[in-house]
Amino acid sequence: AQKVTQAQTEISVVEKEDVTLDCVYETRDTTYYLFWYKQPPSGELVFLIRRNSFDEQNEISGRYSWNFQKSTSSFNFTITASQVVDSAVYFCALSGTDSWGKLQFGAGTQVVVTP
Amino acid sequence: EADIYQTPRYLVIGTGKKITLECSQTMGHDKMYWYQQDPGMELHLIHYSYGVNSTEKGDLSSESTVSRIRTEHFPLTLESARPSHTSQYLCASSPGGFSYEQYFGPGTRLTVT
Repeated sequence: AQKVTQAQTEISVVEKEDVTLDCVYETRDTTYYLFWYKQPPSGELVFLIRRNSFDEQNEISGRYSWNFQKSTSSFNFTITASQVVDSAVYFCALSGTDSWGKLQFGAGTQVVVTP
Repeated sequence: EADIYQTPRYLVIGTGKKITLECSQTMGHDKMYWYQQDPGMELHLIHYSYGVNSTEKGDLSSESTVSRIRTEHFPLTLESARPSHTSQYLCASSPGGFSYEQYFGPGTRLTVT
């Protein structure tokens, strides 16, 4: 069975602060993929990143960065110098070889950035 | 960028009515999915399809039904809407196996009065 845990329900920050979202996963698969999605107030889920289980390199894209640590089964997401437009719900998700393409989502973390 | 469309975006309907939520994608993706989500809450997979004439129930039991007669079209139907069906319904598609991300439509916010 696969499981994704996002223990932080809501994080509130002031603009320009950094914010880190935690994601811990469980899977028996040796090959799997991890994803992050953003859901702004408009409701649509926006794909942010995909990582496979064999690539533990951290990734940076603009103000976004991701830290994948297989040893602790974590795939954390950091927003640097947050902006009001970053206010959204962020979901971490997992797909394994036995999931046939189905994503196991975490419960999501609400990020609130105030000016 | 994926092109996946859902109509209507918002729907308010009375109890007992039959409704169909439309979902279409133009990428030729084989896999399509329906999720149910209360605002800001966890996504629950209710139906999925691996291709034409393939439909499966998801992890969350739902009274809705789906069909997949054409690759690009994956409509969801509620035969008799109830207030408990009030939720957001998100459609997604994916080009292939487990390594691929899913692309989501804008969602339909359904309110049953």
